[in-house]
Amino acid sequence: SQQGEEDPQALSIQEGENATMNCSYKTSINNLQWYRQNSGRGLVHLILIRSNEREKHSGRLRVTLDTSKKSSSLLITASRAADTASYFCATAAYSGAGSYQLTFGKGTKLSVIP
Amino acid sequence: GAVVSQHPSRVICKSGTSVKIECRSLDFQATTMFWYRQFPKQSLMLMATSNEGSKATYEQGVEKDKFLINHASLTLSTLTVTSAHPEDSSFYICSASQTPNNSPLHFGNGTRLTVT
Repeated sequence: SQQGEEDPQALSIQEGENATMNCSYKTSINNLQWYRQNSGRGLVHLILIRSNEREKHSGRLRVTLDTSKKSSSLLITASRAADTASYFCATAAYSGAGSYQLTFGKGTKLSVIP
Repeated sequence: GAVVSQHPSRVICKSGTSVKIECRSLDFQATTMFWYRQFPKQSLMLMATSNEGSKATYEQGVEKDKFLINHASLTLSTLTVTSAHPEDSSFYICSASQTPNNSPLHFGNGTRLTVT
């Protein structure tokens, strides 16, 4: 079953504005990750936040995790046209035999208008 | 950083033929690789987990005889779509991880398969 669910499904903003995307999930996780996908390409890992962490930063990216609400948010500050892409959250849960399985959400399509 | 190369990026084939997609980890060894399928404007759907030296683990609903996976070395996994049909047309993506807990994943650039 689908674990991560992002909202909004689509987001359109002006260059320079901040973009916030949310992800909700249902079961216990080891970590949560955010990925970016440009149209017709593979996914690029952006940031990983562990279940015992609450906030993490990487450049213009800020990720929060609230395990009590089973939700995460990705904030992109001072957006640029080049940030236009689809963004996916993925939850990592223990799947046995020492490995973890990632389950991807449906993604948020971000459009940054120059 | 870790690089995963996927080839070909695009392939068009006729119905009934087979297509092989390669996934290579270029600068690290990957005991486990993952194969996903993505429909337009949809999320990634895990098809199977490819394990070096052993049989792949297929997700429910994925036909193992149709989607043959071979992981003969620590740097190469292949997905063969056998007897392809138009409904197999999709975007196929592989991934691998350097870490035992599979986090994070490094993705290939995907293969756009079109079956005519």
